Amino acid sequence: EVQLVESGGGLIQPGGSLRLSCAASGFTVSSNYMSWVRQAPGKGLEWVSVIYINGNTYYADSVKGRFTISRDNSKNTLYLQMNSLRAEDTAVYYCARNWAFDYWGQGTLVTVSS
Amino acid sequence: EIVLTQSPDFQSVTPKEKVTITCRASQSIGTSLHWYQQKADQSPKLLIKYASQSISGVPSRFSGSGSGTDFTLTISSLEAEDAAAYYCHQSSSSPFTFGPGTKVDIK
Repeated sequence: EVQLVESGGGLIQPGGSLRLSCAASGFTVSSNYMSWVRQAPGKGLEWVSVIYINGNTYYADSVKGRFTISRDNSKNTLYLQMNSLRAEDTAVYYCARNWAFDYWGQGTLVTVSS
Repeated sequence: EIVLTQSPDFQSVTPKEKVTITCRASQSIGTSLHWYQQKADQSPKLLIKYASQSISGVPSRFSGSGSGTDFTLTISSLEAEDAAAYYCHQSSSSPFTFGPGTKVDIK
């Protein structure tokens, strides 16, 4: 059974850093396109980043230069390193699989506030 | 960046009524358009991929059509459990983008 489980969210001060994890089971992360998508409270969905099978990475302009997507093949886990966090980064962060996001995790809440 | 617009923003519908949601792309995206349903306090769920391809386990009352810049999600006969927000999403080119969403409420 395919499963995605995010972790690592929490309350962080502006300018701080967090690393989110997305542990996958039932499939191989490195053999799939994997994305991060976020949703600010009461708002719509916003695509954040993708890592291709070949390792290429792409980012939304709103996070470029601050966020880094990566994966650990030995742990079958996807990551999102978030630096220089801002209040507007407050959101539930989801990981999702493939071009059409056929599987989603349950999400992890990141709150950026002093 | 490819901008997706959806209409309507909100729709209040009686059970068994037909629902049509449209998604328009700012440039041609072929059929790289997907639809999701998100119920309150849940993760989004894939309903339709590549404009019209059905997803295993999704009720047959959900269907999609379109190509290029204009796409449609149809719920043929609304059920109470379909109260949710619906989003379109394009995977034609990065940055991948979502539409702003359509909220469907049950009268």
